[in-house]
Amino acid sequence: NAGVTQTPKFQVLKTGQSMTLQCAQDMNHNSMYWYRQDPGMGLRLIYYSASEGTTDKGEVPNGYNVSRLNKREFSLRLESAAPSQTSVYFCASIILKGRQGRSLDYGYTFGSGTRLTVV
Amino acid sequence: GIQVEQSPPDLILQEGANSTLRCNFSDSVNNLQWFHQNPWGQLINLFYIPSGTKQNGRLSATTVATERYSLLYISSSQTTDSGVYFCAVDRVMDSNYQLIWGAGTKLIIKP
Repeated sequence: NAGVTQTPKFQVLKTGQSMTLQCAQDMNHNSMYWYRQDPGMGLRLIYYSASEGTTDKGEVPNGYNVSRLNKREFSLRLESAAPSQTSVYFCASIILKGRQGRSLDYGYTFGSGTRLTVV
Repeated sequence: GIQVEQSPPDLILQEGANSTLRCNFSDSVNNLQWFHQNPWGQLINLFYIPSGTKQNGRLSATTVATERYSLLYISSSQTTDSGVYFCAVDRVMDSNYQLIWGAGTKLIIKP
């Protein structure tokens, strides 16, 4: 049981190059997320997919596209990389575990991250 | 939107000391979670705690939802506790679930 697998772990791109970050989960989770983490900051949501076949923008979607290929896989594409996209990228999947009163209990599993540098 | 503020931003302690990390949030939330990011970047969920108090070993957390804050307590700190601690609060937009993250507290435990 691998959980959430991200590839690659490290990548250096030149400005203007394109690349795709891959994410796969084997936990049968419906919802998957792409976050970026910049130094000294928390995570910011780029895109998410609430279920297979759907994708929606998060807080910082500009410069990115996503594909929910199937229930397991959710990829993030940079069409024309910019230095401002230098960051650590995390993929996550969540599952609704239950309800506690009025609150919903979600279980979060993160990938190990992709460190991207754009020069 | 909801704002999440964590304090202190940095904390350096000797092994064996106790610490309290705080998370303030600006609006009512459905729930709040605490995460630990270890020095290698791995994110681990510590607590799901919309209200009340929970304990797990040397760690405990308390959320006072009516006053919009949560506290994470670490007792008898160990070097393995080092890393960044994040709190995150949820909101539901268009029936979809998102977490809003604080900037984190960087904890360094010295041997």
